[in-house]
Amino acid sequence: AAGVIQSPRHLIKEKRETATLKCYPIPRHDTVYWYQQGPGQDPQFLISFYEKMQSDKGSIPDRFSAQQFSDYHSELNMSSLELGDSALYFCASSPSGGDSPLHFGNGTRLTVT
Amino acid sequence: GESVGLHLPTLSVQEGDNSIINCAYSNSASDYFIWYKQESGKGPQFIIDIRSNMDKRQGQRVTVLLNKTVKHLSLQIAATQPGDSAVYFCAENRRQAGTALIFGKGTTLSVSS
Repeated sequence: AAGVIQSPRHLIKEKRETATLKCYPIPRHDTVYWYQQGPGQDPQFLISFYEKMQSDKGSIPDRFSAQQFSDYHSELNMSSLELGDSALYFCASSPSGGDSPLHFGNGTRLTVT
Repeated sequence: GESVGLHLPTLSVQEGDNSIINCAYSNSASDYFIWYKQESGKGPQFIIDIRSNMDKRQGQRVTVLLNKTVKHLSLQIAATQPGDSAVYFCAENRRQAGTALIFGKGTTLSVSS
């Protein structure tokens, strides 16, 4: 079965650079979520989109932005990167309705040097 | 007084034992709960879910118990196997499209043979 696809799998950037992470949800899933997970930490919710509109917002820094496109894929844009942004970034998708589990991709490991 | 469902960051068991992982959730308005398993370098993987109108749900070798009175969730794994070794997270949300799934603190399960 098709899963959530994230790209790239690994990304190395320098401080103050920008990064773009991409997420392709499971077919027919119209809701995407972004999470950040630091080493040894639980995943922290950043932002979600339902039918291309922002549906919920968590602890996403102002330096980050995201959007969902007409084909339901999503991109997380990160600017002015800081060392503390180094983490695993997960995308998850679900069908609409709110009572289905989120299905996660295998993440993008971002390292800021 | 007695501590029901004290969260432990780590749990070590022998192969074949039953494992119980506990979780306390925070939001009384949460009505949907999920257990995820996360292996190193991978995204969280869905194990089992339960809605607030239930207090028990069984899957293959796993059982989730929900106690809304004390806002406690537990995951029972029968006949634990080495392949069950991972970090386990409980997560909660309100069944509304696009709302965030909030993760609890993970428990690292180590199974020795």
